[in-house]
Amino acid sequence: DTAVSQTPKYLVTQMGNDKSIKCEQNLGHDTMYWYKQDSKKFLKIMFSYNNKELIINETVPNRFSPKSPDKAHLNLHINSLELGDSAVYFCASSRPTGGPGELFFGEGSRLTVL
Amino acid sequence: DQQVKQNSPSLSVQEGRISILNCDYTNSMFDYFLWYKKYPAEGPTFLISISSIKDKNEDGRFTVFLNKSAKHLSLHIVPSQPGDSAVYFCAATPLGQGGSEKLVFGKGTKLTVNP
Repeated sequence: DTAVSQTPKYLVTQMGNDKSIKCEQNLGHDTMYWYKQDSKKFLKIMFSYNNKELIINETVPNRFSPKSPDKAHLNLHINSLELGDSAVYFCASSRPTGGPGELFFGEGSRLTVL
Repeated sequence: DQQVKQNSPSLSVQEGRISILNCDYTNSMFDYFLWYKKYPAEGPTFLISISSIKDKNEDGRFTVFLNKSAKHLSLHIVPSQPGDSAVYFCAATPLGQGGSEKLVFGKGTKLTVNP
């Protein structure tokens, strides 16, 4: 069973469209994250949620809206897509008993905006 | 503003030899340092970590060394195996309460272990 799963894995869309990426974890973790890996290969945190509560909200355009319907899911909705949104988006989760920063990542969702 | 730097984009070593991956950081507030390993088309996986109160942590073939005064850490893999070929990311975080750690990643070093 996949521990952290994201859908879709690949997404190609036009500028201006709205799209969502879904993430689910079956590890029973309380905290979930979204990271973005841009063209320069940097992995940067976007959001984290702990038990459905927003904990971290980095300087991300408000076109990006995370939604956590329950602690096993953290979805990412992006409005009015721009070329610069093209990236690989990684969902991750962590457990309270784990070491600091020990995250379990999904396989990533590659978004291409044309 | 790169707070975590991995200056070598790639490294190639022979199977059985030592691989040394380096990482420098600039933020004195970082308390915890981690290495992640990433295969193509997969997400990063946690490999090993070290607290700022230690200077060495070992886990099997993997050892991480931390030099706080130099703001430098390194990952040693001995002996290197072909299956170790992957991109290795250095990451750092100040300690926060669960769910609030912000991992800051380097750009990664692609390690190739040749049979």
